[in-house]
Amino acid sequence: DSGVTQTPKHLITATGQRVTLRCSPRSGDLSVYWYQQSLDQGLQFLIQYYNGEERAKGNILERFSAQQFPDLHSELNLSSLELGDSALYFCASSGGDNEQFFGPGTRLTVL
Amino acid sequence: TQLLEQSPQFLSIQEGENLTVYCNSSSVFSSLQWYRQEPGEGPVLLVTVVTGGEVKKLKRLTFQFGDARKDSSLHITAAQPGDTGLYLCAGELRYQRESGSARQLTFGSGTQLTVLP
Repeated sequence: DSGVTQTPKHLITATGQRVTLRCSPRSGDLSVYWYQQSLDQGLQFLIQYYNGEERAKGNILERFSAQQFPDLHSELNLSSLELGDSALYFCASSGGDNEQFFGPGTRLTVL
Repeated sequence: TQLLEQSPQFLSIQEGENLTVYCNSSSVFSSLQWYRQEPGEGPVLLVTVVTGGEVKKLKRLTFQFGDARKDSSLHITAAQPGDTGLYLCAGELRYQRESGSARQLTFGSGTQLTVLP
């Protein structure tokens, strides 16, 4: 158990819909990272937040957005969903410049 | 776009054999990390190498970072069925922004290792 929690574990929805994925970092970690893992693209960095502020942006689509709240939990919002958005979405957290600890992931299926 | 090429993509070996997984890039990274991922779980960090030419050992696993800090290898000696899993290399970029330091990991495509008893 990494100490990072993600909900829900599985999510099935339809094209065009909007979903919100939630992440709670390890106690004390100020940085949260979001990743997408799909069969064709592998594991890709989406975005990093540090103490509520966006710090780094990767291959995140404009239809996707994220935020980190004052209690440090983070949410990843995915809208206008397409079939190709079906993937595993991982959240990771770290304290300072230390190791990133990954959560168990949310498996999103878009039908 | 920085890319990490990892090879081989699939590897199936018998228990007791040795193996090497390679991770190559045309870019220089601040550090290079190796992860192992089990089905249904997130990746778990095995090691971080920072200095060109660095070698780190973790029991039967040996990690090397190339002199130019663009490539790395993972060597497993006397593989065991418990070593089965997806091995991922990741290059880390760290840079400064007005708001503070930023970190970004670029992952390789992974090597699915199966060790048969």
